[in-house]
Amino acid sequence: GDSVTQMEGPVTLSEEAFLTINCTYTATGYPSLFWYVQYPGEGLQLLLKATKADDKGSNKGFEATYRKETTSFHLEKGSVQVSDSAVYFCALIPSGGYQKVTFGTGTKLQVIP
Amino acid sequence: EAGVAQSPRYKIIEKRQSVAFWCNPISGHATLYWYQQILGQGPKLLIQFQNNGVVDDSQLPKDRFSAERLKGVDSTLKIQPAKLEDSAVYLCASSPSGGASGNTIYFGEGSWLTVV
Repeated sequence: GDSVTQMEGPVTLSEEAFLTINCTYTATGYPSLFWYVQYPGEGLQLLLKATKADDKGSNKGFEATYRKETTSFHLEKGSVQVSDSAVYFCALIPSGGYQKVTFGTGTKLQVIP
Repeated sequence: EAGVAQSPRYKIIEKRQSVAFWCNPISGHATLYWYQQILGQGPKLLIQFQNNGVVDDSQLPKDRFSAERLKGVDSTLKIQPAKLEDSAVYLCASSPSGGASGNTIYFGEGSWLTVV
């Protein structure tokens, strides 16, 4: 079945550091890929998405590129801020059929001043 | 555009009591999901509706959990009787219909349940 694997956290970075959170997936066909963010005490918010190979999703300084050849969708940001502290979830929706979402286990990011 | 609405936001109950959560999806969204998120874990799908029909309830503990979607719009998730391990955030989400890949799934703020 479909699966999403994320790097384990927590990840602790200093403000303005470069961020990478790895995400790889297993799925047939061409799934759509998503990054969701969950701030403390809140629900999940869509951060960015990509629906086909080589697409780059971007939002709020975060980017991720859909790499079919490596089945990856790594999240990056050039300069993190304290306000980016949250849990980040990688997810996929398979192509065709009903939209069953598969989530990764989440990566907690803590940014310190 | 109004988002996914959930209530109550917070609930504390004793074990063996019952609780119900309500969800109002984004207008026009045919697909509605209920997820359970235990602290420190990713969301786990409990049940997925397409309009008012159930698409997937394979991970719903049917001996104590039930869900319905009234007229293909609002939905209610009920737990009876509650156990300590049911303490979690219950997330409702919705997405447009059609099954087209790429449709975004929108989440509500969640209903935080503590069973004592």
